[in-house]
Amino acid sequence: GENVEQHPSTLSVQEGDSAVIKCTYSDSASNYFPWYKQELGKRPQLIIDIRSNVGEKKDQRIAVTLNKTAKHFSLHITETQPEDSAVYFCAASRWDSNYQLIWGAGTKLIIKP
Amino acid sequence: EAQVTQNPRYLITVTGKKLTVTCSQNMNHEYMSWYRQDPGLGLRQIYYSMNVEVTDKGDVPEGYKVSRKEKRNFPLILESPSPNQTSLYFCASSSHLYEQYFGPGTRLTVT
Repeated sequence: GENVEQHPSTLSVQEGDSAVIKCTYSDSASNYFPWYKQELGKRPQLIIDIRSNVGEKKDQRIAVTLNKTAKHFSLHITETQPEDSAVYFCAASRWDSNYQLIWGAGTKLIIKP
Repeated sequence: EAQVTQNPRYLITVTGKKLTVTCSQNMNHEYMSWYRQDPGLGLRQIYYSMNVEVTDKGDVPEGYKVSRKEKRNFPLILESPSPNQTSLYFCASSSHLYEQYFGPGTRLTVT
């Protein structure tokens, strides 16, 4: 079955710098890759997603890139701000997986002032 | 307002006392799911349901039961809770391969 590995588990960056979180997946048939953000004490919320027919997607300061050959995808956050501090989860799914998302273990992002 | 609701939000109970955590969504989503979240372990799926009367086990189903008698509701039942079920529980719903909407979470403590 699908397995998703996420690195690093903790990432500390200076405010204004960029942050990159990487995930690798095992099932080459996976075709949907969302990223969720969970602020302290709150529920996870979708921040960006990408499907396998595109290699990159951007939304203001966040972007996701997908390398299907290498089976990895990454979340890029530019010009980090204090409100970016949170736990970020990646996930992967395939079209015939009965809605199943396979989750990474999460990355705690700390923005240092 | 589109939302997923869970009740109760906080619960402290004793070992062996049956409890139910309710989950309801108003978005007519086919898919609903229960997760537990423990420090360092991320989100682990307990059970999921693809539609009414269709449920299946996730990664950690032991000690839990679910039912899906109506499309909007997906209760989580702990028939005989134990301390290792102390956790933060999230219900989520979605349509096929779209955003999963999470409930606010239920923090359960079993003593």
